[in-house]
Parts: sequence; structure tokens; C-alpha cells
Amino acid sequence: NAGVTQTPKFQVLKTGQSMTLQCAQDMNHNSMYWYRQDPGMGLRLIYYSASEGTTDKGEVPNGYNVSRLNKREFSLRLESAAPSQTSVYFCASSEQGWNQPQHFGDGTRLSIL
Amino acid sequence: DAKTTQPPSMDCAEGRAANLPCNHSTISGNEYVYWYRQIHSQGPQYIIHGLKNNETNEMASLIITEDRKSSTLILPHATLRDTAVYYCIVRVAGRSNFGNEKLTFGTGTRLTIIP
Repeated sequence: NAGVTQTPKFQVLKTGQSMTLQCAQDMNHNSMYWYRQDPGMGLRLIYYSASEGTTDKGEVPNGYNVSRLNKREFSLRLESAAPSQTSVYFCASSEQGWNQPQHFGDGTRLSIL
Repeated sequence: DAKTTQPPSMDCAEGRAANLPCNHSTISGNEYVYWYRQIHSQGPQYIIHGLKNNETNEMASLIITEDRKSSTLILPHATLRDTAVYYCIVRVAGRSNFGNEKLTFGTGTRLTIIP
């Protein structure tokens, strides 16, 4: 049971390049999330998907798009990468409901030059 | 949104109980208290959560005061592998009809277990 799997683990991009971060979960969870974590800061929510077919903006959605491809997969796309998007990106999933804990992947470390 | 306040860092001797405090004085009646931790270079790990009763699982115990304005996470026998940043989070509901959940992470408490 892999839980939440993120690919790639590391990536370096040049400013203006595009990239899609992949996330898949095998826990049959309805809800999925994308966060970013910058040095010395807590995680900030970028986008989330309450269930297959729905997506919503979080705190810091600018510069990103998401796709909930199916129940298992939730991707995050940077259309034109900027140095300010250098960060560690975490995907998470949970059951739907008021008190369901979120389970996280190990992150994608992204550097934009 | 209820905010939380945690000490930035704490030390604990290996084998002793680690007690991590959290203040959440503006918590609402239907908001849960969650604890996560993040070991260096890994994703956050869920530890425990509770509403108003004390909770215990295989990892830790959560003690919530009667007025719910503060809580303490207890790691009963700390090991070196418990060195991590611990986050106390009050759960905020998004669109309640879909049960969307948003976790608002602060900067947490950096717990160092001393051999």
C-alpha cells in the first residue's frame, strides 16, 4: 500500500517553462489537495478537489492549474514557471467529511532558475 | 478561523514524555484540534485529533482543556525518531455541504529529542 505517490521527486526548470506535477493515491479517498511549503513557513493550500470532477482554489492559486483526472489522480500544472514558485509541493488525500485526516506524499522539490 | 499559538522549539530527553502545548483560544464549538508532524524532508504525518474529549492512539495522547482553549500533545516515551516539527491545527470547514477540509499550517514547534 503506497498511500500518496508524487512524481517527480526533484525538478529544475527555467523561468517560463511549463510542468505538471503528478499525484496518485491508492486509498480510495474522495478528496485531494495540493500544498506548497517555502523555507521556514508552514504549508499553504494551492488547490483542492472535494471529489472527482470538482476543484476549488485555496489560499495561493495564482500561477497554477489543476486537473482531477479520476478518483486516484490529481495533477498540478505550472503553465509558465516563475522563480517565486520555487518550493516543495505536497499532495494529500482524505476521506470526505468533517474530521477526516489528510495523508501526505513525500513532496516534489521544484527549483525555478 | 481559529488561530493556534505554539512555542517555536522544545527539547526533550530520549525516553521521557514530550509534552507539546498549543493555545487556540478562539476555537469554535464544532472545530477539531489536529496534530501533525513533519520529519525533515518528508511529508506531514497525521498524529491524532480530537474535539473535546481526551484521545489516545498508538502514537500519542491528546489532552484538551475543558474550555477547549488549549491542548497538549503527549508523546509518552520519546525516541530520536520523534525529532520533527509538530503542528497544532484547528480544522476549518470549507463548503460544509461537500465536507471540504482545509488545513492551515502555522510554523509549528520544532521538537528535538536529546540522546
